[in-house]
Amino acid sequence: DTGVSQDPRHKITKRGQNVTFRCDPISEHNRLYWYRQTLGQGPEFLTYFQNEAQLEKSRLLSDRFSAERPKGSFSTLEIQRTEQGDSAMYLCASSSYGGQYEQYFGPGTRLTVT
Amino acid sequence: AQSVSQHNHHVILSEAASLELGCNYSYGGTVNLFWYVQYPGQHLQLLLKYFSGDPLVKGIKGFEAEFIKSKFSFNLRKPSVQWSDTAEYFCAVNAGNAGNMLTFGGGTRLMVKP
Repeated sequence: DTGVSQDPRHKITKRGQNVTFRCDPISEHNRLYWYRQTLGQGPEFLTYFQNEAQLEKSRLLSDRFSAERPKGSFSTLEIQRTEQGDSAMYLCASSSYGGQYEQYFGPGTRLTVT
Repeated sequence: AQSVSQHNHHVILSEAASLELGCNYSYGGTVNLFWYVQYPGQHLQLLLKYFSGDPLVKGIKGFEAEFIKSKFSFNLRKPSVQWSDTAEYFCAVNAGNAGNMLTFGGGTRLMVKP
């Protein structure tokens, strides 16, 4: 399968702990996106990379959140000092570069902060 | 900031009924428009997309959508639904001044009764 993959699929953590999620995009895609989805809502944009450069960050991305894509391939999203409000599905998507693009989504990582 | 509204949060239909899901967006410039579907237990998948040209676009599984610029709408339609269409449907917009982020509506949960 050559789709977008995410790891882990589920994460339960205690408030105050740090967590890190990984996303592997479709291999030929050089754009990678992170979104967050809470229950009953549509996904909300967090941040976006083109190759290894982080080009956009949403105001939703507080200082406790950091994302990297060191070699322009996989990406990690770290949340420090988790809070209960961080509980959500974290989605990764990738797309190829071009004037017209579509984003392909991974299965997501469901985070529960207790 | 751009926003996307999906007016129907829950829709229940019988098989063979016709479907129309509303989507309106707020942005006056050039937009790219998408409908994504999320089947139970699966990740978001692209149903169809509009970038330019013919405002009536056809997607997978017999779905179509019509872009009406004057109404800022991109409604999804299917003439005859099947039980397998039970899913959550999300409208999404990318606007020219918002970089590459997608703005999603809140989703419409469709249940098709056999």
